[in-house]
This record gives sequence, C-alpha cells and structure tokens, in this order.
Amino acid sequence: QAHLVQSGAEVRKPGASVKVSCKASGYTFSSQGISWVRQAPGQGLEWMGWISASNGHTTYAQKFQGRVTMTRDTSTSIAYMELTSLGSDDTAIYYCARDRPGGADAFDIWGQGTMLTVSS
Amino acid sequence: DIQMTQSPSSLSASVGDRVTITCQASQDISKYLNWYQQKPGKAPELLLYEASNLEAGVPSRFSGSRSGTDFTFTIASLQPEDIATYYCQQYDTLPLTFGGGTKVEIK
Repeated sequence: QAHLVQSGAEVRKPGASVKVSCKASGYTFSSQGISWVRQAPGQGLEWMGWISASNGHTTYAQKFQGRVTMTRDTSTSIAYMELTSLGSDDTAIYYCARDRPGGADAFDIWGQGTMLTVSS
Repeated sequence: DIQMTQSPSSLSASVGDRVTITCQASQDISKYLNWYQQKPGKAPELLLYEASNLEAGVPSRFSGSRSGTDFTFTIASLQPEDIATYYCQQYDTLPLTFGGGTKVEIK
C-alpha cells in the first residue's frame, strides 16, 4: 500500500529557511509526480508546486517562485521542499501529495503533514 | 489564477439528509475538477476526480456533477463519519487552485 511519510514539525525564525522531506513507500517512486500543498491555521488549501519524480522537472506557483525549491532523490524515494526567507505568514501545515495514477491532476495519497511555525 | 468559489462555507444537517455543496469556477475549466474530504487534524482524501468519477474505495453516497462552470457535490445520505470539510480543486490551468472549503456538521 502506498504511503508518504513526512519529516517532523519545525520551528524557524523569520528570514530563515526550512527543508521538509517526504518519503514514499509501497509504489514505484519515479512513476508519479509529487505536489506540495500548504494549509495555514484554520484556512484552506494552497498548492505550492510540483516535481516530476522521474526527471526532477519542477513547476512552481508564481507566488512561491524564487523562494521554493523542490527536489527528489530517487535512490531513497524521498521528495524535498525547501522554502527560504520565511515570514510569519508561512506558518502552516505543509503536505506532500502524490499524483493520482491515471491522471486528473488529483492527489490520491497524502503525507501526514509537517507543521512549520515561524516565530521570533 | 482561476478562482473557485465554494458555497456554503458551512452547513449543519441531520443524519440521513441529502447534502449539496457547490463550487463555481471563475472561468471555463471543462470537467477538470476534483473533490476532497478533510477530517479534523488529518490530511485531505480524494473522493471524486474529473467532476463525477468516484475514487476507488469511496462510498457511493458521494457523487458529483457539472453544469458549465458550476459543479455540485452531493452526499446522498449524510452519515456521522462524513463530518469534515470538503474542498473542490481545479486542474484546468496552473496554478492548481482550491475552493475555500465547506464545513459539514451534524445537526
């Protein structure tokens, strides 16, 4: 059964960076892309971008261009999301989510989420 | 960016009731819409893809339809385990965008 397991909660000061990991298991990692979606406290879902697990190609939401970097390591089946120049409005739960096999740009498997708190 | 307007933002219904949520796209997105359920403290789960297709393992009381830029999500008979927030998501145009969510509670 496919699973995505994310790294633990993080606390950062404003201006710092964070790198969150997402380890895949139970399926062929390189066969499906991974998106990152965040959710601020009590708020809705916001798509940040996507990485192809097969070739590493990335697409970022314009809002995060220049601040986000998504990478992957096929040898360990881990996807990473790094966010720089953190501000208090980056406080959120960050989820990785797998592209649904068969398309529809839907996310059929989600990680458990990583809580990021940005506070001085 | 394509705006997805979901309504209502919250609703309260009795067990067994038919529940309907709507999602309106700011422009034509064809059938490119998915629906998710998010229970408190949990990650979202995919319920429907491509407007009306039930994801494997999802109960048949959930359904979806489309009329132009208006999409409807229906729970045929509300169950206690359906208490959650529901989100629509368009995938016609990047960036992928979500509706604001509809919180469903039991009356």
